[in-house]
Parts: sequence; structure tokens; C-alpha cells
Amino acid sequence: GENVEQHPSTLSVQEGDSAVIKCTYSDSASNYFPWYKQELGKRPQLIIDIRSNVGEKKDQRIAVTLNKTAKHFSLHITETQPEDSAVYFCAAASYNYGQNFVFGPGTRLSVLP
Amino acid sequence: DVKVTQSSRYLVKRTGEKVFLECVQDMDHENMFWYRQDPGLGLRLIYFSYDVKMKEKGDIPEGYSVSREKKERFSLILESASTNQTSMYLCASRGTGGDYGYTFGSGTRLTVV
Repeated sequence: GENVEQHPSTLSVQEGDSAVIKCTYSDSASNYFPWYKQELGKRPQLIIDIRSNVGEKKDQRIAVTLNKTAKHFSLHITETQPEDSAVYFCAAASYNYGQNFVFGPGTRLSVLP
Repeated sequence: DVKVTQSSRYLVKRTGEKVFLECVQDMDHENMFWYRQDPGLGLRLIYFSYDVKMKEKGDIPEGYSVSREKKERFSLILESASTNQTSMYLCASRGTGGDYGYTFGSGTRLTVV
């Protein structure tokens, strides 16, 4: 079945710097890749997603890139702010697995003022 | 604006007790999921359901069962709680189609003593 790896497990950046989180997946049939942000004590919330027919997607300070050949995708956060501090999860989904997502283990991002 | 509601935010139960975790969504979603979240392990799928009366095992179903008698409600049951089931439990729902991410509940932090 699908396996999603995520790196790094923890990441500290200075406010204003960029942060990059990388995920790899194993099933070439995966075709939808969402990213979730979970602030301390809160529910995970979808922040951006990308489908397999697109190589890059941007939404203000966040962007996701997808390399289908290498089977990896990345989250890029520019001009980081303290409110970006959270745990970020990537996931992969395939119609082969119906409606299920397979999640990466998460990255704890700390933005230092 | 809450769309996925989990009945309890915190629960403390004794070893051997039967425990019910309730989840209700108001988005008319067909698909509902139960995950447990543990540090360093990310989100692991326990059970899921694509329709009323339907249930499928996820990656870690041992010690759990589920019930979906109505479309909006998906219950997770711990038949005989054990200390290794101490965890954060997250319910999620998703509409049919490939473009929609999960909507998560706020989570139930269960402690088994």
C-alpha cells in the first residue's frame, strides 16, 4: 500500500525566513496531495492541496510543488510569521484506496521571533 | 461554523471499560473516518465508512469497532479499554469526489488508567 515519508520532523526558522517541508510517497497511482496545519490543541486544517496534473500551486505565502516522476512533493512557506508555528502534515490519496488519505508523520515548525 | 463535532474533548476511563466516542457531521458527507494521533507516529487510520451501515478496517483496527447507523454519525467503540489506547482520537469526514480534503473534528483526548 501507500507509504508517505515526511522530513524534517522538526524545523526552526527565524521570523521572515522561508521554510520547506518535503514528503515522498510510494504509490504512483496517488493523485491528490493535501497539506494540513495543526496548531497546538486544535484540529488539523487543510491549508493547500495539489492534484497530480499540476506541478505547482500557490496561495499567498504558501506554495506546494509536485514532482510525479520522483514521487515527492513539498510545502514552501515564505516570510514566515510566529502564527505559522504548528505541526504540518502531508498526505497522499489515490482512487485505488477510495476516499482514504495516507498521512506523513508530521513536521513541527517553530518560527522564532 | 463547526461542521464535525466530537462529543467529548477529554475523557478518562478505567482499564476494561467499554468506551464510546461519538462523531457527528452536518455536511451530508458520505465518507467518515476515525484516526488516532500519537507523537512521532502521525495520524493512523482505525476504521472508515463510505456509507450508512458500511464499515471497513483501517491500518490499526485491533481493539476497536465502529457503528454507523445514520449518515451523519460515526461512533468509535473501544470494547475493553487498555492503557495502550491512551491517545488523541480524531474524526474526519469527506465528500465524494477527488477534490475535497478532510474536515476534522476537534479531537477527543482519551486517557485510560
